[in-house]
Amino acid sequence: DQQVKQNSPSLSVQEGRISILNCDYTNSMFDYFLWYKKYPAEGPTFLISISSIKDKNEDGRFTVFLNKSAKHLSLHIVPSQPGDSAVYFCAARWTGANNLFFGTGTRLTVIP
Amino acid sequence: GAVVSQHPSRVICKSGTSVKIECRSLDFQATTMFWYRQFPKQSLMLMATSNEGSKATYEQGVEKDKFLINHASLTLSTLTVTSAHPEDSSFYICSARDTETQYFGPGTRLLVL
Repeated sequence: DQQVKQNSPSLSVQEGRISILNCDYTNSMFDYFLWYKKYPAEGPTFLISISSIKDKNEDGRFTVFLNKSAKHLSLHIVPSQPGDSAVYFCAARWTGANNLFFGTGTRLTVIP
Repeated sequence: GAVVSQHPSRVICKSGTSVKIECRSLDFQATTMFWYRQFPKQSLMLMATSNEGSKATYEQGVEKDKFLINHASLTLSTLTVTSAHPEDSSFYICSARDTETQYFGPGTRLLVL
């Protein structure tokens, strides 16, 4: 049972434009969400996170939005750069739980 | 962010041999570490949760006698793939939790011939 879903397996965006990566979850107990970036044959790199008490968190070019009522979060990257091309995973967990639940990832390609 | 190292980055072994993979948290102490496996074009699959000083907790379907996990200190966890077979060939990634965030190692590519 996939509790965290990324329904778009891939996304292509022109350099300089905004990239929007989406993630949906089903478990209302999740209260902490994270985004990771992954290159082939490497471990995921932590990008940004958000607690369920917030609806937005920003860090440089990366902003994560959380809509709890819709059980939806999104990662905005602006402006997109070719170096952002990678697979992006969203992940979620709840307080007291150790492990993360991952989505299946979205491959972002930023076209120069 | 915090740094997690993994060694070796790549290993090739013969079928039937055992392989040990080390995971270290370099700048923080981690009471809990995680071992994941990634199949081609698939998401990360949690294999087990490693707790310092106690037995690991394995996910359903993961053979604990085949994938031995030891978490002897707050900065080191090891995964030993015993009697490896070609179907064990995969990309293994460890992770350590630092307060709210999990940080991942660079992964180990295992190829069993």
